[in-house]
Amino acid sequence: DVKVTQSSRYLVKRTGEKVFLECVQDMDHENMFWYRQDPGLGLRLIYFSYDVKMKEKGDIPEGYSVSREKKERFSLILESASTNQTSMYLCASSSGGPTDTQYFGPGTRLTVL
Amino acid sequence: ILNVEQSPQSLHVQEGDSTNFTCSFPSSNFYALHWYRWETAKSPEALFVMTLNGDEKKKGRISATLNTKEGYSYLYIKGSQPEDSATYLCAFGSNDYKLSFGAGTTVTVRA
Repeated sequence: DVKVTQSSRYLVKRTGEKVFLECVQDMDHENMFWYRQDPGLGLRLIYFSYDVKMKEKGDIPEGYSVSREKKERFSLILESASTNQTSMYLCASSSGGPTDTQYFGPGTRLTVL
Repeated sequence: ILNVEQSPQSLHVQEGDSTNFTCSFPSSNFYALHWYRWETAKSPEALFVMTLNGDEKKKGRISATLNTKEGYSYLYIKGSQPEDSATYLCAFGSNDYKLSFGAGTTVTVRA
C-alpha cells in the first residue's frame, strides 16, 4: 500500500518563527510536490522536486524554501512564518509526468498566530 | 497559472439521486485530466486519469467523461450514498511534471 506521510497533522506557530514541514514517501518516486489549499481556491503548487537536490518553483513560492537531500524526503521551510501562511499544506509524490497519479499525504493544518 | 474551473462549487444531493458536475480546462497542450476524491480528514485519493478525447472511465457508481477538444470533463455519481460525500477535485496535466487543480466541487449527500 502506497504511503505518503507528513510530520504533523496540526501545527501552531508564532509570527517570525522558522517552520519545517516534513514529508516522506515509501514508493521510490522521483517527483515530490508541496501544495497549499485555501477555502475557495484549488491546490496551489508551492515547490516541486523531480530528483534529489533538484527543485523548481511552483506558482506561489514566495516566503517558502524546500530541501530534498534524500529521495524519500521533501521538506518545506517557512523562513519567517507570517499570518498569511496559515493554511492546509499537502505533500504529494509521483513516479513520472502529467499522466501519472500523484499520491497525497494527509495534510498539515498550520496556524500562524 | 493555468485556469482550471469546477462548477458548481458545492451541491447537496438526496440519497439515491444521481448527480454530475463539471471541470473545464485549457484545450491546448493537453496531456491528462485527473479526478480525485477528498474526504474530510483523509488524503485526496485518485479516482481516474484520462488521456484521450472521448475517454470514459467508471469505478463503481462513479464515472467520468472527457472532451479535450472543447476542454471539459464531467463526473457522474449514480444513486448517491452518504459515503460519496466529499470534495471532488479535477487536475489538468500539461507537458511538464505539474498538475493544475480546480477548486473542487463539494458534494453532500443527505440521507
